[in-house]
Amino acid sequence: DAKTTQPPSMDCAEGRAANLPCNHSTISGNEYVYWYRQIHSQGPQYIIHGLKNNETNEMASLIITEDRKSSTLILPHATLRDTAVYYCIVREWMDSSYKLIFGSGTRLLVRP
Amino acid sequence: GAVVSQHPSWVICKSGTSVKIECRSLDFQATTMFWYRQFPKQSLMLMATSNEGSKATYEQGVEKDKFLINHASLTLSTLTVTSAHPEDSSFYICSARYSWYGDEQFFGPGTRLTVL
Repeated sequence: DAKTTQPPSMDCAEGRAANLPCNHSTISGNEYVYWYRQIHSQGPQYIIHGLKNNETNEMASLIITEDRKSSTLILPHATLRDTAVYYCIVREWMDSSYKLIFGSGTRLLVRP
Repeated sequence: GAVVSQHPSWVICKSGTSVKIECRSLDFQATTMFWYRQFPKQSLMLMATSNEGSKATYEQGVEKDKFLINHASLTLSTLTVTSAHPEDSSFYICSARYSWYGDEQFFGPGTRLTVL
């Protein structure tokens, strides 16, 4: 089972920041947090990942709390094309391999 | 970023036939590839993990004799759905990772399988 919980849906206005929360209270010390998004009928797109420090790239910022039990993905200026399902995933070591186990994700709707 | 392709993008077949789906990493060598399945309005479910040159490891509840996975090279993995039935109709997505301990995993565009 996935180690993360996310709100099922959120919305925000175009041009505003979208802040997507994620809880991962059972995360282990060496497990990374990954964020992907999936636009309808496409494969998931990698956004960002982190261990314990905040991370930023051209797409988004990832804020991880000090106790690592939760994180927030920030899309600084959301556009209509950011409408998608966003998955927060804790990468797990299982059966001698790292695996991404998807939870149910957050459906983000960006309003004009 | 790294590119993963899948072929075909969609396929329709008759019940009882077998269907092969290819997954290729186009600009990197993938030592590990993953196959996921996604039913409508549901999340992705991991089916199996395959390392190049080794047998695939299947997740609990996934029939290895029905979903044959071959990872013959560092850039190609195939999933064969044998004796397909309508309940196998789904969106199949592959994913590939750079290296044994790589941090990034990239996904293909998916293959829509419809079994009549």
